[in-house]
Amino acid sequence: AQSVTQPDIHITVSEGASLELRCNYSYGATPYLFWYVQSPGQGLQLLLKYFSGDTLVQGIKGFEAEFKRSQSSFNLRKPSVHWSDAAEYFCAVAATYNQGGKLIFGQGTELSVKP
Amino acid sequence: KAGVTQTPRYLIKTRGQQVTLSCSPISGHRSVSWYQQTPGQGLQFLFEYFSETQRNKGNFPGRFSGRQFSNSRSEMNVSTLELGDSALYLCASSLGLAGYSYEQYFGPGTRLTVT
Repeated sequence: AQSVTQPDIHITVSEGASLELRCNYSYGATPYLFWYVQSPGQGLQLLLKYFSGDTLVQGIKGFEAEFKRSQSSFNLRKPSVHWSDAAEYFCAVAATYNQGGKLIFGQGTELSVKP
Repeated sequence: KAGVTQTPRYLIKTRGQQVTLSCSPISGHRSVSWYQQTPGQGLQFLFEYFSETQRNKGNFPGRFSGRQFSNSRSEMNVSTLELGDSALYLCASSLGLAGYSYEQYFGPGTRLTVT
């Protein structure tokens, strides 16, 4: 069955430090992968997506992610974290069914930023 | 271009009542999906509508239903509310069917509290 695993429930980094959030997926075909960010009380904002091609994708707010098929991973990175990056981050894979589809989300990683 | 809008933003209902939530997708988007977000279960797919037809349904009881209108606006209805239905309900729209190479854009959500 398709699934997404985010091993880290909560991560704390210092402002200015680098960040890597892990995501592993299980999907039989070529995956369409996404990272979303959610601030408290808000909806989900799309950070970046991978459909095909270059395995290193750039997103908004200085984020990037690397697709590694051999490791079934799609880790999110940022070279220097800002206090405003504190939020919850969700990795998702698009799953296709008979006549439609859906996003399957990981459990999320909550990011705290120390001053 | 205006984003996905959801109304109302907050709702408080009593057990046994029913509720209707509304979602207006981004102009030109034809697919609307609904997700339920709770601390325990995370983000779970409810259903997807495309061209006024339900294309895919998640593992939720029949008390959860929805529809889509010709202008792509969508409503979801929950009947006979239970305490466990308390959640953030998120609507997402995309140009094409979910599960394919179309990004889903999320609204701010409707926070439903059942007492």
